[in-house]
Amino acid sequence: SQQGEEDPQALSIQEGENATMNCSYKTSINNLQWYRQNSGRGLVHLILIRSNEREKHSGRLRVTLDTSKKSSSLLITASRAADTASYFCATDRDDKIIFGKGTRLHILP
Amino acid sequence: DGGITQSPKYLFRKEGQNVTLSCEQNLNHDAMYWYRQDPGQGLRLIYYSQIVNDFQKGDIAEGYSVSREKKESFPLTVTSAQKNPTAFYLCASRGLAYPYNEQFFGPGTRLTVL
Repeated sequence: SQQGEEDPQALSIQEGENATMNCSYKTSINNLQWYRQNSGRGLVHLILIRSNEREKHSGRLRVTLDTSKKSSSLLITASRAADTASYFCATDRDDKIIFGKGTRLHILP
Repeated sequence: DGGITQSPKYLFRKEGQNVTLSCEQNLNHDAMYWYRQDPGQGLRLIYYSQIVNDFQKGDIAEGYSVSREKKESFPLTVTSAQKNPTAFYLCASRGLAYPYNEQFFGPGTRLTVL
């Protein structure tokens, strides 16, 4: 079962623009994490936000969490070509970490 | 260097054969995970283990088996009972002590059934 669902499935933006991806989930969670995957590679952890946190920043990344709506968003500011990748949210509950299907982000030159 | 290694990177198997994928970590992490990823899809949890000699089924455990005899090792066997095993397999680990909850991933093994 997929706990998290990312939206949109695919996103193309011009370099320098901001990219926003959303994640919705179904059940209560301990924390929510965002990962990046370059084509054919393993996943790289970006940021973790706990259920009692509402917003977190890391460099050009900003993550928000709304537990009442069971949703999270990932904002990448001032996008770069190197940001082209798939982005996944993962919900952590009872030591099971469940991933969504991801958003494929393409940064246009 | 600390990290997670998976081997081999590419693996080819004939139908009807069992095959074992290796996953080793030297991060002293308690928990280890196996995921399957199909093209253009997210990761689906196969098995996970939080402690040596114990493991739990994930969402798609049928046709797979695991063992956790050592803390640093969590091999996955894809058996002949798995009807569609061609996929990208990812291993991950993490510590369970607060606040270190992020998962670290290996580079993956791409399995192709001929």
